[in-house]
Amino acid sequence: RKEVEQDPGPFNVPEGATVAFNCTYSNSASQSFFWYRQDCRKEPKLLMSVYSSGNEDGRFTAQLNRASQYISLLIRDSKLSDSATYLCVVNRGYGGSQGNLIFGKGTKLSVKP
Amino acid sequence: ETGVTQTPRHLVMGMTNKKSLKCEQHLGHNAMYWYKQSAKKPLELMFVYSLEERVENNSVPSRFSPECPNSSHLFLHLHTLQPEDSALYLCASSQDTNLRVGSSGANVLTFGAGSRLTVL
Repeated sequence: RKEVEQDPGPFNVPEGATVAFNCTYSNSASQSFFWYRQDCRKEPKLLMSVYSSGNEDGRFTAQLNRASQYISLLIRDSKLSDSATYLCVVNRGYGGSQGNLIFGKGTKLSVKP
Repeated sequence: ETGVTQTPRHLVMGMTNKKSLKCEQHLGHNAMYWYKQSAKKPLELMFVYSLEERVENNSVPSRFSPECPNSSHLFLHLHTLQPEDSALYLCASSQDTNLRVGSSGANVLTFGAGSRLTVL
């Protein structure tokens, strides 16, 4: 099983749609989770940190399910500008924590007019 | 200048050339990183520096040589590269190397725009 697994997509959705991405991770000791957004030929940028109780930032909602070892990202009322690749990022969770993030390959979202 | 800046943004080099990538962060962070992003692959961690000391070398070939003269600057020296080394090289920084989400907030990576390297 891959350490961090995401559906690569692409997810093609119309403007205004609600879309959800899931990400599974293999290390039960992982403690911290993030969603990054990467536009084509640009650097990844932090979209949201994922808190244990779930968190919302405007149209974006992140959830964590530790029992099933997955995190999700929900985007409501999709905009054209949401088109990007969404990277699921998980820490390895062991002590020392030297730059210990694992990146998924990303899920590509394309929002159409 | 703010954030993390990388130069050059694009680099084409032959297999016998020697070149360097430069990264500078203006965030007051203590940790800096080099990542490699190849097509269709997830980001791969190459090196981690904490307070100018290398704390992780992720089995990177010796043709890649990092240098961290101070906590704001990071270099990646390149020599005798192979065509398969062509990729986007991303520099990042963070407050410290314990990348986490906690009750007091999150310590996260901030990336530079990257240096796109083509090896002929």
